[in-house]
Amino acid sequence: SQELEQSPQSLIVQEGKNLTINCTSSKTLYGLYWYKQKYGEGLIFLMMLQKGGEEKSHEKITAKLDEKKQQSSLHITASQPSHAGIYLCGSYGQNFVFGPGTRLSVLP
Amino acid sequence: DAGVIQSPRHEVTEMGQEVTLRCKPISGHNSLFWYRQTMMRGLELLIYFNNNVPIDDSGMPEDRFSAKMPNASFSTLKIQPSEPRDSAVYFCASSLGEHTEAFFGQGTRLTVV
Repeated sequence: SQELEQSPQSLIVQEGKNLTINCTSSKTLYGLYWYKQKYGEGLIFLMMLQKGGEEKSHEKITAKLDEKKQQSSLHITASQPSHAGIYLCGSYGQNFVFGPGTRLSVLP
Repeated sequence: DAGVIQSPRHEVTEMGQEVTLRCKPISGHNSLFWYRQTMMRGLELLIYFNNNVPIDDSGMPEDRFSAKMPNASFSTLKIQPSEPRDSAVYFCASSLGEHTEAFFGQGTRLTVV
């Protein structure tokens, strides 16, 4: 079965700093989905990547999928307290599964 | 559309009692997922329905757990009897189909005492 790993497990940054979260798959990804979760709430869809080398941006968040489609990164530029939360990558293999998540804290 | 609707939002029950969680997917979506989230194990897929049919229930912990989807607009996850280790947040999600993004409900926080 497909497994997703994320790094780092947690991240604390100062407001204004850039940061990167990584997601690695044991198998080729047919599609990679990034979600954000705030404590006690559901997951909010951020972006979907399907093609090798694809890159998408939304506001200050950029996600990339490598050419081999086994690794994705999520980059946040000039982080703000509103970016704090848990970021999860997900993918369809046999089912829609998720990585363990990266907990991001942004200090004002 | 109101999104995926789950009820109740919070449930506290005593060990041994039956618990039923409910989910209304987004209209027109034909895939539905039930997940369980805990600090220790993260987000685990319990069961996946496509066109109301259970496709994969290999994530269901044991026979105490059962899920149904009697029609395209309603699904239930039942735990009988409940145990303290079942305490978690249970999420329902729906999507248009394979390889499309899933939309999540707000979750049901279950506490079994």
